[in-house]
Amino acid sequence: AQSVTQPDIHITVSEGASLELRCNYSYGATPYLFWYVQSPGQGLQLLLKYFSGDTLVQGIKGFEAEFKRSQSSFNLRKPSVHWSDAAEYFCAVGARGTYKYIFGTGTRLKVLA
Amino acid sequence: NAGVTQTPKFQVLKTGQSMTLQCAQDMNHNSMYWYRQDPGMGLRLIYYSASEGTTDKGEVPNGYNVSRLNKREFSLRLESAAPSQTSVYFCASVAGGAHEQYFGPGTRLTVT
Repeated sequence: AQSVTQPDIHITVSEGASLELRCNYSYGATPYLFWYVQSPGQGLQLLLKYFSGDTLVQGIKGFEAEFKRSQSSFNLRKPSVHWSDAAEYFCAVGARGTYKYIFGTGTRLKVLA
Repeated sequence: NAGVTQTPKFQVLKTGQSMTLQCAQDMNHNSMYWYRQDPGMGLRLIYYSASEGTTDKGEVPNGYNVSRLNKREFSLRLESAAPSQTSVYFCASVAGGAHEQYFGPGTRLTVT
């Protein structure tokens, strides 16, 4: 069965610092991989996705993620965090050939001024 | 173009009452989903409909039923609400090959 693990429940960084949010998945083959962001009281918005090809993918708001097959990971990064990045971030996987997606438990990001 | 809409935004039920959460999308998407979000649990898939006329169970289907009324609408029904169903419910839809989920604003349900 597919599963997604986000080991960090909360992360606090200072504005301007770099950020890395971790995501590990368990799946028999390479799934579709996604990162979503949820601002307080809002629905989720897609940041970026990986289907195949270049393992470093660029997303919106200056975010990028790297797929590492050997580590079953899809970590999200940003070189310089802005106060507006404070939100909850979710990693998700989708089984190829289906339209079913599983989400991780989320990482809540706090940004210090 | 409203995207994904959900009604109601808030609801309080007593244990044993029933209700239906409504979801509609105007993006001509084939697939639609219902998730619940609980603190520390992330989003858990309740039911999904890969295409009009089909529905499938997700991770936590017990206590819920769904109806894919047409391509636009996908409703979630609680037949006999329980306090454990207190949660925020999100509806989402997906356009074919893009696999990007578009989410509604959510329904905050409290069962007392």
